[in-house]
Amino acid sequence: SAVISQKPSRDICQRGTSLTIQCQVDSQVTMMFWYRQQPGQSLTLIATANQGSEATYESGFVIDKFPISRPNLTFSTLTVSNMSPEDSSIYLCSVVPTHGRETQYFGPGTRLLVL
Amino acid sequence: RKEVEQDPGPFNVPEGATVAFNCTYSNSASQSFFWYRQDCRKEPKLLMSVYSSGNEDGRFTAQLNRASQYISLLIRDSKLSDSATYLCVVNMGGYGGSQGNLIFGKGTKLSVKP
Repeated sequence: SAVISQKPSRDICQRGTSLTIQCQVDSQVTMMFWYRQQPGQSLTLIATANQGSEATYESGFVIDKFPISRPNLTFSTLTVSNMSPEDSSIYLCSVVPTHGRETQYFGPGTRLLVL
Repeated sequence: RKEVEQDPGPFNVPEGATVAFNCTYSNSASQSFFWYRQDCRKEPKLLMSVYSSGNEDGRFTAQLNRASQYISLLIRDSKLSDSATYLCVVNMGGYGGSQGNLIFGKGTKLSVKP
């Protein structure tokens, strides 16, 4: 499995501001994803982070709200823009290792509280 | 109907007990299936994949019934350290092959007591 780190691990932000979350993997991976887990809920896929091209967003998520970058095979960022209290959640990145078939491994998550 | 449904629990069991979790999924074209474990305030971690023939890993046994669209996880001789939320996860790759198309159940909470 891959070793995944996320920064920041947690943050408290004011509404209307933006936060960029970083995801770093210790090895090159085929695919990287961003998920959200709201309190008491299951994980929901936000988007697939594509290396060298625009991310692929799931229904209900848009690039203006959640811009994503993936400049190389080991790093991605997710920005939560113009935040509101409804954005309070845990944001997790996950990866599929290059030789890991389809199994996804998750980063430790970023806990976001928007006031 | 929700795409992946699980009994939320909590399941409160004594050490040494055998406990079974069930999960149903709605999309008959689903390709692959997993059980993840999520400890409180931690990220989900893969517990085991679920194969059509059923598979076992130590005290854990997973089974898949495609006809009934049903997945199960059996934990034998439960330990205190098994206390966690168990997430049933289905890959909907049949509709486009996206490896990211994992659908998570809400999880079943297990609490093992001494």
